[in-house]
Amino acid sequence: EPEVTQTPSHQVTQMGQEVILRCVPISNHLYFYWYRQILGQKVEFLVSFYNNEISEKSEIFDDQFSVERPDGSNFTLKIRSTKLEDSAMYFCASSEGGRHNSPLHFGNGTRLTVT
Amino acid sequence: GESVGLHLPTLSVQEGDNSIINCAYSNSASDYFIWYKQESGKGPQFIIDIRSNMDKRQGQRVTVLLNKTVKHLSLQIAATQPGDSAVYFCAENRAAGNKLTFGGGTRVLVKP
Repeated sequence: EPEVTQTPSHQVTQMGQEVILRCVPISNHLYFYWYRQILGQKVEFLVSFYNNEISEKSEIFDDQFSVERPDGSNFTLKIRSTKLEDSAMYFCASSEGGRHNSPLHFGNGTRLTVT
Repeated sequence: GESVGLHLPTLSVQEGDNSIINCAYSNSASDYFIWYKQESGKGPQFIIDIRSNMDKRQGQRVTVLLNKTVKHLSLQIAATQPGDSAVYFCAENRAAGNKLTFGGGTRVLVKP
């Protein structure tokens, strides 16, 4: 069964550094997402992306965050200057459609640790 | 504020018994609901979904019930197995937009 793959599985970075989290969505999917889960808390929506542009973003997704689909297969999340509170599991997801006929399929996440 | 929430943080169930996981939501605009399973070290795994024009949907060993009157969602797992041990999340999708709002999760522990 096709799956969403994320790299790296664990990223450690120092405060103020830039990080790029990488994702390969399922190949025939057109909608892409990033979610995060701070330890012990709920999974939170960050951003959705379709047709090479952001379709929706949460208040968490401020100017320090950006997303890009640099080629036909990768989808990246960049955090420009990491803060301690950015430490979390970051999940990439994709869906075939953009509404409720198409569930999101998630990758196994990247654990980001900011020291 | 409006949110999706879960009644029980931990559910212990005997292997072979049925499990019922509950979820309350308060956003009347939500029209699509999904149950996810998350095992340790993995991402949320899709289990089953239901649209608001339905009140029941069945999958393999799982059934989702939706009661819009009381804004309640449940996941029933038949003949629970050790592999069902995980955290289960309900998530809602509001009529506008395509982002999911997740509940806090219920941990299911299957006892042999």
